[in-house]
Parts: sequence; structure tokens; C-alpha cells
Amino acid sequence: ETGVTQTPRHLVMGMTNKKSLKCEQHLGHNAMYWYKQSAKKPLELMFVYNFKEQTENNSVPSRFSPECPNSSHLFLHLHTLQPEDSALYLCASSQGDIDYGNTIYFGEGSWLTVV
Amino acid sequence: AQSVAQPEDQVNVAEGNPLTVKCTYSVSGNPYLFWYVQYPNRGLQFLLKYITGDNLVKGSYGFEAEFNKSQTSFHLKKPSALVSDSALYFCAVRDLTGANNLFFGTGTRLTVIP
Repeated sequence: ETGVTQTPRHLVMGMTNKKSLKCEQHLGHNAMYWYKQSAKKPLELMFVYNFKEQTENNSVPSRFSPECPNSSHLFLHLHTLQPEDSALYLCASSQGDIDYGNTIYFGEGSWLTVV
Repeated sequence: AQSVAQPEDQVNVAEGNPLTVKCTYSVSGNPYLFWYVQYPNRGLQFLLKYITGDNLVKGSYGFEAEFNKSQTSFHLKKPSALVSDSALYFCAVRDLTGANNLFFGTGTRLTVIP
């Protein structure tokens, strides 16, 4: 069991659907992240939030829309996705910036299949 | 640009034998290096990190890693492998461009044979 909880663990959606992934961290951290893990590829950073403010958007298509209402919760809203968006989406958190030696802790991930 | 390389996609080791999972890095500044493990259908779990100080870093589950600046390596080791160590292992290095991010390797699948 980790301090970062993601729901749902598995999601199948059509290309015209709208769905959301939810993440909650119980570690008292102030930074939250979305990463994408695809087969045969390194993990890719999507978004970073520090104290609810988005600090990184790694050229992610607008069909992915993040929301961070507070330091403990992070959402990824999905709409009009493509089959190639099928992947494991990992939420993570850290106490602060990695430049200060902080560690990123990951959730269990949400498996997304776009049909 | 910074990056890490994991030269082996797959490592097999017999139970009870020592194991090594290799990682080399390319960084123009001070590297902060991390190891994570991913069990099937799970997220990434933090094992250990090197920030500064002693080159030998000890982490969770009996793992350790040695930072070698001259060889730009950060290999993960364990003296005696367990079947339960079978998993996917990722090396990562911090992003030095100012983004709060880690760059990950492509992963090494470790199989411990009973």
C-alpha cells in the first residue's frame, strides 16, 4: 500500500467519451505529478503541480486536461482520446523540488485502454 | 542533455546469487540518481537514491548502489537474490533544465530463478 492512491485502477473508454482519473496523496506533500508509461518507452512526464499551481506541461495534447484543486488531490480529465493514448498513467508526489534531493513517490497507476 | 542508460533489457540470476542491474548516466552537472522497482501491475516503488556524500548507498529490501563518478555508473546490487526480487527495475536522473522532473531509463527486467 502506498501513500498515493489512484482511481480507477482500470479504465476502458471510447474515443468520444469523457472520463477522469483521480489521484490522492496522504503524505503531506506539496508537489504532484502525472507520468505516462507506455510499453517499450521510458516514463514520460506530463504535468507537475506545486502548491496547486501548474509548473510543468510537457507539451501534452489538450485532450488531456489536469486539475489540482488542492495539494492532496490531482485529476486528469480525458476527452476524445486516441488508441495510442492507451497506457499506464502514474500519479506521484514529492515533498518539494527534486533539486533539493526530494524523492518522488508513485501511486499504483491507472491502466487506460482507448477503444 | 541528461539521460540514463540501462544496457540490459533482461537479467537472469539464480536465487541466492548476487545480482547487479546496470545503469550509466550522462549529466553535465551533479547527478541526483534514483532506483525504482515495479512489480507486475503495480506502480513504481522507490528503492534508493544518491544525492551527495558516501558513494555506497543502501536502500530498501537489502538493495544497495554504488555511485562511480569516473565510470558515470550507478549500478544496483544485492548480495543474495530472492525469487520475490523478480520485477522491472528503473534507474532515473534528475532533470537539470530547471523542470521538476526525473528522466528514466527504459528498465531492466530481473528474473530470479529458483
